[in-house]
Amino acid sequence: SQQGEEDPQALSIQEGENATMNCSYKTSINNLQWYRQNSGRGLVHLILIRSNEREKHSGRLRVTLDTSKKSSSLLITASRAADTASYFCATDADQGAQKLVFGQGTRLTINP
Amino acid sequence: NAGVTQTPKFQVLKTGQSMTLQCAQDMNHEYMSWYRQDPGMGLRLIHYSVGAGITDQGEVPNGYNVSRSTTEDFPLRLLSAAPSQTSVYFCASSLRGDYNEQFFGPGTRLTVL
Repeated sequence: SQQGEEDPQALSIQEGENATMNCSYKTSINNLQWYRQNSGRGLVHLILIRSNEREKHSGRLRVTLDTSKKSSSLLITASRAADTASYFCATDADQGAQKLVFGQGTRLTINP
Repeated sequence: NAGVTQTPKFQVLKTGQSMTLQCAQDMNHEYMSWYRQDPGMGLRLIHYSVGAGITDQGEVPNGYNVSRSTTEDFPLRLLSAAPSQTSVYFCASSLRGDYNEQFFGPGTRLTVL
């Protein structure tokens, strides 16, 4: 079963615009992570937010977490063509960091 | 450091054949996991290990075996391949603890005919 569900499934924007992706999950968590996957490649970790944190920044990335709504959002500001990829949220579903449960992902396309 | 390495990169099997997907990491990570990724879906956990000699099942373990004899290696065995096991397989590792990122290998694309 999929713990996380990303929304939208696909997003296409112009270079320089901001991109926002949302993730909803079902159970309690210790942390929520976001990963990026370029076409045909493995996943790369972007950012981890703990359940007691509400917002976290890393460069052009901003992640928010609302545990009362069981949802998170990933904002990429000033998008670049190199940001074109699929983005996945993953939670530990309160079962330990070795048992991540991934959503289906958002496919982001940045148009030049 | 090479990070997480996986071999082979591509594999085609016939139904009923067996094979082993190799995974190795050189970061001295205690946790290792195997996931499969099917088109249009996120990754699903097959098996995982929290240390040498310790393995456990994930969400979709049927048809797969694992062992962890060393910290570095975590092979995944397909016992009798089925077309439903056509997928991309990813190995990942991380440090012990609840707040550590997972490092992923490049994946093995497996097709079962």
